Amino acid sequence: ETGVTQSPTHLIKTRGQQVTLRCSSQSGHNTVSWYQQALGQGPQFIFQYYREEENGRGNFPPRFSGLQFPNYSSELNVNALELDDSALYLCASSFRFGANVLTFGAGSRLTVL
Amino acid sequence: SQQGEEDPQALSIQEGENATMNCSYKTSINNLQWYRQNSGRGLVHLILIRSNEREKHSGRLRVTLDTSKKSSSLLITASRAADTASYFCATSRLIQGAQKLVFGQGTRLTINP
Repeated sequence: ETGVTQSPTHLIKTRGQQVTLRCSSQSGHNTVSWYQQALGQGPQFIFQYYREEENGRGNFPPRFSGLQFPNYSSELNVNALELDDSALYLCASSFRFGANVLTFGAGSRLTVL
Repeated sequence: SQQGEEDPQALSIQEGENATMNCSYKTSINNLQWYRQNSGRGLVHLILIRSNEREKHSGRLRVTLDTSKKSSSLLITASRAADTASYFCATSRLIQGAQKLVFGQGTRLTINP
């Protein structure tokens, strides 16, 4: 049984660019959540995907978007990058019907210059 | 906004001592979870306590829950250097019809050898 894998692990972009982050869910999980974690802060909920549809969004603008694929893998896309988007982006998978225990990937560290 | 608030924000103790971290939350819950994060990596689920439970153990971890005070505590006994990490409590919040985990800002625990 594999865990959650994320790619890339680190990346550097400049303001205004676009970025795509990828996530493979843990086997048996059908729900993917994305979190943004600024330095020294707790993870902030961005959105969740279930059955390839967005299933709830936190306080993030529309330039944050995502996809979930039939194999439950997922992408997070951020357009028009801003300096404040610099953060650790965490993907977590879970089983839809349960206690909502999340299995996290190691994260993608994004730096926006 | 954060659902849980951890206290203290930072804690430094000697190896072998016990470490206690507290979490307060604002709304009624079905369960409360604790996660650990090592040095900016992904979060790892430690323990879940349901709203009808008052105390739960897992190895050197002991979690208590007081729903009347809307608070929880995590006790790590006989601490080890490997316990150095950030610890987060998380509660579920209903966002757009589905339960999402909301995290506090965490307690940074340092175990000194």
